[in-house]
Amino acid sequence: AQTVTQSQPEMSVQEAETVTLSCTYDTSESDYYLFWYKQPPSRQMILVIRQEAYKQQNATENRFSVNFQKAAKSFSLKISDSQLGDAAMYFCAYTENNAGNMLTFGGGTRLMVKP
Amino acid sequence: GAGVSQSPSNKVTEKGKDVELRCDPISGHTALYWYRQSLGQGLEFLIYFQGNSAPDKSGLPSDRFSAERTGGSVSTLTIQRTQQEDSAVYLCASRNAGGNTGELFFGEGSRLTVL
Repeated sequence: AQTVTQSQPEMSVQEAETVTLSCTYDTSESDYYLFWYKQPPSRQMILVIRQEAYKQQNATENRFSVNFQKAAKSFSLKISDSQLGDAAMYFCAYTENNAGNMLTFGGGTRLMVKP
Repeated sequence: GAGVSQSPSNKVTEKGKDVELRCDPISGHTALYWYRQSLGQGLEFLIYFQGNSAPDKSGLPSDRFSAERTGGSVSTLTIQRTQQEDSAVYLCASRNAGGNTGELFFGEGSRLTVL
């Protein structure tokens, strides 16, 4: 079974600084997707960024970027110029490219942003 | 609708009672997923629907849990004889199975508290 591990239960960053959240996963598949979701206190999971495993180029979305290391099965999220609104739980997730597409989630990292 | 809608938003019940949680997915989304999130934890997969059928029920924690989906749209998760360990946020997500991005769209969840 696939597993997703987030080794940092909590992280803290100063406003305007950069922070990196770690994620590793275990799979024997070669075709899959990786995601970072943000969960603010409202509870709704919001997609932050997505990476297709077949793409070597790291995905970027404005202040958010990933470092995807396929051989190492590592998928870290970098948040640049951190803002107070970035404070939330962040979940790394994995899914295979098949009809089910069930997401397997890591345990989450709580990000605190200090003003 | 514009997004995934879940009801009730919050439910407090007494141990031993039955509860029903409802999910209305994004219109046209054929795949629907239920997850459970215990306090401060990651997301635990419960069940997945493709249309009205459930190819994967592997995550249901006990026979007290059941789910159905009718008309390829609304889904109901039923928990019979609730126990205190059932207290959690129950999240629903949907996906357009014809799409190829793997992304799930989440509702805001139903928080269940069993006294």
